[in-house]
Amino acid sequence: DTEVTQTPKHLVMGMTNKKSLKCEQHMGHRAMYWYKQKAKKPPELMFVYSYEKLSINESVPSRFSPECPNSSLLNLHLHALQPEDSALYLCASSQGAGVYEQFFGPGTRLTVL
Amino acid sequence: DQQVKQNSPSLSVQEGRISILNCDYTNSMFDYFLWYKKYPAEGPTFLISISSIKDKNEDGRFTVFLNKSAKHLSLHIVPSQPGDSAVYFCAASARATGTASKLTFGTGTRLQVTL
Repeated sequence: DTEVTQTPKHLVMGMTNKKSLKCEQHMGHRAMYWYKQKAKKPPELMFVYSYEKLSINESVPSRFSPECPNSSLLNLHLHALQPEDSALYLCASSQGAGVYEQFFGPGTRLTVL
Repeated sequence: DQQVKQNSPSLSVQEGRISILNCDYTNSMFDYFLWYKKYPAEGPTFLISISSIKDKNEDGRFTVFLNKSAKHLSLHIVPSQPGDSAVYFCAASARATGTASKLTFGTGTRLQVTL
């Protein structure tokens, strides 16, 4: 299995809602990532988990809260988002948090009303 | 400050010809480079990578060239096929700084391979 899966594919939420994005991989990878991609822009790194511990937080606002329950799962909890947070959220994994190619999921298209 | 730049937003190439996609970077700490391909509604797919100790890496139809002195890399696709039509991102990381997992992406080049 060489796939990273993400659910849901699309999400529409209001600014007062609480929702979660989910990511799963079964490649035995020990590093997982969250990226944000706005239209016609490159992906921007948000968080890196290495061996289930948060290793990089790119100064992301606290309304985004990552969680890594185990080595195969990565969640992104969303609360009190702003319309400008609307974007494609990509999850990726790699063999380790070093010089390894990152494998991306298809993303969750988030719209904040 | 865009540390990785792809100055051509789009490129059109005939099927069977060579596609050359370019990427420039400004951060001299970058020492590992990757190319990703992205179709609409999908995540980026890894294509090929190169370490700064090399100047060329080849994988089938894909070859990446690195010119460290010019801080420039390019991806050659030969021969180009219609299925290669996608957005191509180059990405860079700085292993020596201990942040190898942090990829910095370029803005992407949309490649259209025509029949």
